[in-house]
Amino acid sequence: DSGVTQTPKHLITATGQRVTLRCSPRSGDLSVYWYQQSLDQGLQFLIQYYNGEERAKGNILERFSAQQFPDLHSELNLSSLELGDSALYFCASSPRQGSNTGELFFGEGSRLTVL
Amino acid sequence: GESVGLHLPTLSVQEGDNSIINCAYSNSASDYFIWYKQESGKGPQFIIDIRSNMDKRQGQRVTVLLNKTVKHLSLQIAATQPGDSAVYFCAEKIWSGNTGKLIFGQGTTLQVKP
Repeated sequence: DSGVTQTPKHLITATGQRVTLRCSPRSGDLSVYWYQQSLDQGLQFLIQYYNGEERAKGNILERFSAQQFPDLHSELNLSSLELGDSALYFCASSPRQGSNTGELFFGEGSRLTVL
Repeated sequence: GESVGLHLPTLSVQEGDNSIINCAYSNSASDYFIWYKQESGKGPQFIIDIRSNMDKRQGQRVTVLLNKTVKHLSLQIAATQPGDSAVYFCAEKIWSGNTGKLIFGQGTTLQVKP
């Protein structure tokens, strides 16, 4: 158990809909990262937050947005969903933004299926 | 550019043999590399890391080798066990100011035959 909690574990929705994925980082971790894992794309970095502020952006679509709240939990919002958005979405946390280690602690992911 | 690639999608080894998983990276500015293991239905789990000022680092049954000349990273697993069956990802850390971003490769599936 990494200490990172993601909900929901599974989500099935239709094209055009909007969903919110939630992440609670490990106790004390200030940085939260979101990754998308598709079958043919590996792990794609989406976005990182540190103590409530956005710090780095990767291949995140404009239809997607995220935020980190004062209690450090984070939400990833996916809107106008398309079939290609079906994937596993992972949240990871680390103690601090400038950590010299690469050790991210991953949750077990939220599997999104868009029909 | 930001690209990390794995040489082989699937590696099949006999239980007890040593495994070698390879990875090529393209960003010469990367100074930190990590191997992650992802078991079925779980999130990636940190295995071992190495900084660019090193060429070898050993852990428990695992060794990571870094060849900066050819931008190549490898993970060696000694005496491979059935529990080692998983997808293995290499990742490089790219810094922008004081923010590091982990870029993952596509992954290699390790299958351990009993």
